[in-house]
Amino acid sequence: AQSVTQLGSHVSVSEGALVLLRCNYSSSVPPYLFWYVQYPNQGLQLLLKYTSAATLVKGINGFEAEFKKSETSFHLTKPSAHMSDAAEYFCAVSKGTDKLIFGTGTRLQVFP
Amino acid sequence: DTAVSQTPKYLVTQMGNDKSIKCEQNLGHDTMYWYKQDSKKFLKIMFSYNNKELIINETVPNRFSPKSPDKAHLNLHINSLELGDSAVYFCASSQGGPSGNTIYFGEGSWLTVV
Repeated sequence: AQSVTQLGSHVSVSEGALVLLRCNYSSSVPPYLFWYVQYPNQGLQLLLKYTSAATLVKGINGFEAEFKKSETSFHLTKPSAHMSDAAEYFCAVSKGTDKLIFGTGTRLQVFP
Repeated sequence: DTAVSQTPKYLVTQMGNDKSIKCEQNLGHDTMYWYKQDSKKFLKIMFSYNNKELIINETVPNRFSPKSPDKAHLNLHINSLELGDSAVYFCASSQGGPSGNTIYFGEGSWLTVV
């Protein structure tokens, strides 16, 4: 069965600092992986996705993620945090299934 | 233009009532979904439809009945509401299913049962 694990339900960074949100996947086949962002009282918006092309995926708002098969990871990074990045971030996986399975989410707080 | 729109955004109702949430997508997608987000922010799929046909019913109580009159609409009707039904319900759509395809979400419907 496929699943994703997000390490750390809360991450706090200072404005301008590196953002690193961790996601590990479990899948019997190479998966499709996604990062979504949810701003307060809003729906989910796709940040980026990996579909077996380039292992380094660039997304919107300066975010990127690297697929590492050896580590079964798909961590999300941003070199310099901005106050507007404060939100809930979800990693998700799908492959050969009708379901998109979400992780438990990581809340990112950005301090001035 | 909103790609996936759902109404109402906020709904407060009493236990035992019946309520509906409507969803429409203007993206021309053939697959639509309902997801439930609980108070701990956990997201789980409830239903998926492809071209008006039910694909997934993720062990949701019979009190929840989705209806898809056409491939652009997927409404959710809930009978005999319970306190535990309080959650945020997200409608979503994609072209060709979730495997590798982007799923677009609506803004959510906040349901509070009192």
